[in-house]
Amino acid sequence: TQLLEQSPQFLSIQEGENLTVYCNSSSVFSSLQWYRQEPGEGPVLLVTVVTGGEVKKLKRLTFQFGDARKDSSLHITAAQPGDTGLYLCAGLNRDDKIIFGKGTRLHILP
Amino acid sequence: KAGVTQTPRYLIKTRGQQVTLSCSPISGHRSVSWYQQTPGQGLQFLFEYFSETQRNKGNFPGRFSGRQFSNSRSEMNVSTLELGDSALYLCASSFRHKSTDTQYFGPGTRLTVL
Repeated sequence: TQLLEQSPQFLSIQEGENLTVYCNSSSVFSSLQWYRQEPGEGPVLLVTVVTGGEVKKLKRLTFQFGDARKDSSLHITAAQPGDTGLYLCAGLNRDDKIIFGKGTRLHILP
Repeated sequence: KAGVTQTPRYLIKTRGQQVTLSCSPISGHRSVSWYQQTPGQGLQFLFEYFSETQRNKGNFPGRFSGRQFSNSRSEMNVSTLELGDSALYLCASSFRHKSTDTQYFGPGTRLTVL
């Protein structure tokens, strides 16, 4: 069974700090996505990375796909209260199925 | 453009009952996927429909079934409800049946089984 392990499970930091969350697997994925989910809503896609070693930036968020396409990281610079939410990574496997991690619950304190 | 809508938003049922959840995709989208989200297991894929045909299926028992209508609206049915079926059920739509297409999620239906 392919699994995506996300760490940490919970993270609470002060506004203005930097943070990194991780998404790891022993399996190779053809692409990997990051979503943010807020209470009472469905996940919203932030980014899709496809190429090993790929780095994408979305304002203060930086996403990286590992060279071997087994892991990914999300780095947030100068976190703001609006960044609070559940961050989910999801990988597309060879069977064309999307596997989700359990998420990192991020809370930014003002 | 209206987003994905799901009805009802909240539902309370008792063990042994059955339930039907509805999902209306974004206009023009033909693919609808269903997911179950629980604190313990996270988001798990149930099935995907495209042009009224089930294209992909996750590892859930046969009590979970779905269908898609000609207007792309989809329903999901769970029979003989168990306590463990309590979860947030999310549907997501995309334009085509291609894994690279962006999925847009609805707000979910929160099902509680007593």
